[in-house]
Amino acid sequence: DIVMTQTPLASPVTLGQPASISCRSSQSLVHSDGNTYLSWLQQRPGQPPRLLIYKISTRFSGVPDRFSGSGAGTDFTLKISRVEAEDVGIYYCMQATQFPLSFGQGTKLEIK
Amino acid sequence: EVQLLESGGGLIQPGGSVSLSCTASGFSFSLYAMNWVRQAPGKGLDWVSTISGNGDTTYYADSVKGRFTISRDNSKNTLFLQMNSLRVEDTAVYYCAKSPGVYSPYYLDYWGQGTLVTVSS
Repeated sequence: DIVMTQTPLASPVTLGQPASISCRSSQSLVHSDGNTYLSWLQQRPGQPPRLLIYKISTRFSGVPDRFSGSGAGTDFTLKISRVEAEDVGIYYCMQATQFPLSFGQGTKLEIK
Repeated sequence: EVQLLESGGGLIQPGGSVSLSCTASGFSFSLYAMNWVRQAPGKGLDWVSTISGNGDTTYYADSVKGRFTISRDNSKNTLFLQMNSLRVEDTAVYYCAKSPGVYSPYYLDYWGQGTLVTVSS
């Protein structure tokens, strides 16, 4: 099974400043079809998860361009260029390259 | 607009059973794989099961294999999760989530609001 490890687990950030979350997988997420099925989800307090980024770096419909994803193989990063108050919540990376699907532990983004 | 609405949660005794439903709208339901993901109180996300668009292929987490059954009725745009032999550790909010592919999950692009299942005596 693929284990997803996120760092940090908590990230206090000043409004308007950047934030970065790392995600590492225990094995390569490159699928046999050549794609890498690493996605990022945001879960605001009291809300269901929401897809932000899929296939490492593609923003989902309606996601602000201050969110960006990068990485390859086993190391991936979610960056927020300028944190806004509405970005508070927990961020998860997720792999769907192979079953069982797996998630990182979550990173709590909070405002300083 | 894609909408997913779960129902069927509640308080169940250990060893009991419950069936969850997820009614979908706003997309061609039979063309997409569907998933169940759960979240225990105060914890992270935990994948439970995936079913292909036509229902002929299913996958389960080891923790639920043999106890849970995923199914779908494409004529009614509804996804199901039959949960048997429930344990205290199955207590969680259960989300249904859509995938963009027919057979493979790829990623989970739309999520429902979730339904809470509490297993307790």
